[in-house]
Amino acid sequence: DAGVTQSPTHLIKTRGQHVTLRCSPISGHKSVSWYQQVLGQGPQFIFQYYEKEERGRGNFPDRFSARQFPNYSSELNVNALLLGDSALYLCASSLDQVWQLHEQYFGPGTRLTVT
Amino acid sequence: AQSVSQHNHHVILSEAASLELGCNYSYGGTVNLFWYVQYPGQHLQLLLKYFSGDPLVKGIKGFEAEFIKSKFSFNLRKPSVQWSDTAEYFCAVNARTGGSYIPTFGRGTSLIVHP
Repeated sequence: DAGVTQSPTHLIKTRGQHVTLRCSPISGHKSVSWYQQVLGQGPQFIFQYYEKEERGRGNFPDRFSARQFPNYSSELNVNALLLGDSALYLCASSLDQVWQLHEQYFGPGTRLTVT
Repeated sequence: AQSVSQHNHHVILSEAASLELGCNYSYGGTVNLFWYVQYPGQHLQLLLKYFSGDPLVKGIKGFEAEFIKSKFSFNLRKPSVQWSDTAEYFCAVNARTGGSYIPTFGRGTSLIVHP
């Protein structure tokens, strides 16, 4: 079975631009979570979506938004990019919302560089 | 807000040495605890988890962790490390905040095992 897939692998953007990152969960998984991992730090939770609804949000500004589609894939959007948004963006999927009962499976991440 | 502290940022051991990585969290309510591992070039994956019951939990590859509620700790141990254990290790806490479960990761510990 295919694991969690993310696209693109790498991305370079300029300050002020907008970016869309994509994630496809493991087949059968209905929950997708997004994390930001800055170099030298652990992943920081951004959003969780389950059944196309936001079920959890971390401490990120409104420039960050996400959505989940009927096929359970997800997009993370970041507007008005700042240099500090440069990071590895991770997507994780799990069977359902209550991910503490079900393991999260992480994708390879999208490396975003803002110049 | 909850926080997770991993005291050792870099650990270097020789094969067959014993390993203990510290993890402390700050949250007064019910928590679920995890250790994740990221081997070089691979995705984050779950090593072990604690939800309830026996505070000594066993994970993959001979790892174990002990939850000590009074110390807010969840230290990871392995009696005898192997070169293949070289990886980044992350402690994570999942705590109920409002109506959602918000995961928080520590900044990680880089383990290098010399053959």
